[in-house]
Amino acid sequence: DSGVTQTPKHLITATGQRVTLRCSPRSGDLSVYWYQQSLDQGLQFLIQYYNGEERAKGNILERFSAQQFPDLHSELNLSSLELGDSALYFCASSASGTDSYEQYFGPGTRLTVT
Amino acid sequence: AQSVAQPEDQVNVAEGNPLTVKCTYSVSGNPYLFWYVQYPNRGLQFLLKYITGDNLVKGSYGFEAEFNKSQTSFHLKKPSALVSDSALYFCAVKAAGNKLTFGGGTRVLVKP
Repeated sequence: DSGVTQTPKHLITATGQRVTLRCSPRSGDLSVYWYQQSLDQGLQFLIQYYNGEERAKGNILERFSAQQFPDLHSELNLSSLELGDSALYFCASSASGTDSYEQYFGPGTRLTVT
Repeated sequence: AQSVAQPEDQVNVAEGNPLTVKCTYSVSGNPYLFWYVQYPNRGLQFLLKYITGDNLVKGSYGFEAEFNKSQTSFHLKKPSALVSDSALYFCAVKAAGNKLTFGGGTRVLVKP
């Protein structure tokens, strides 16, 4: 158990809908990262937050947004969902935003868009 | 741009034999290198990292990796594989200020 929690575990929704994925980092970790894992794209970095502020952006679509709250939990919002958004979404956390720190991953949320 | 290559989609090895999972990288500047393992329906678990210092890094579950700067490689090794090592392994690289970039993953199958 990494100490990173994600809810829900599974999510099935229809195209055009909006969903929110939730992540709680390990106790004391200030950085939160979001990743998308799909068969065709592999593991893709979406976005990073550090202590409530956006730190880095990856291949995140404009339909997607995220935020980190004062208690350090984070939410990833996916809107106008398309079939291609079906994937595993992982949250990870690290002690700081420092490059040398390893990230600890949550169990993921499996999103299925029908 | 930084990149990671894991040239083998799958590695098959008999239990008790040595296991090697290959990784090469491309990055500007000094690399920070990581190995993660993913078991079915689970998140990625951190195995080990190279930041600086000794080229041979030891990690969890008996795994180790060797950093080779001239060959830009960071191969993962285990002297004696277990059936329970069967999983998906990811190599990742990060340069200062950049995002973590993952390789495509290598599936390891250890047969009894």
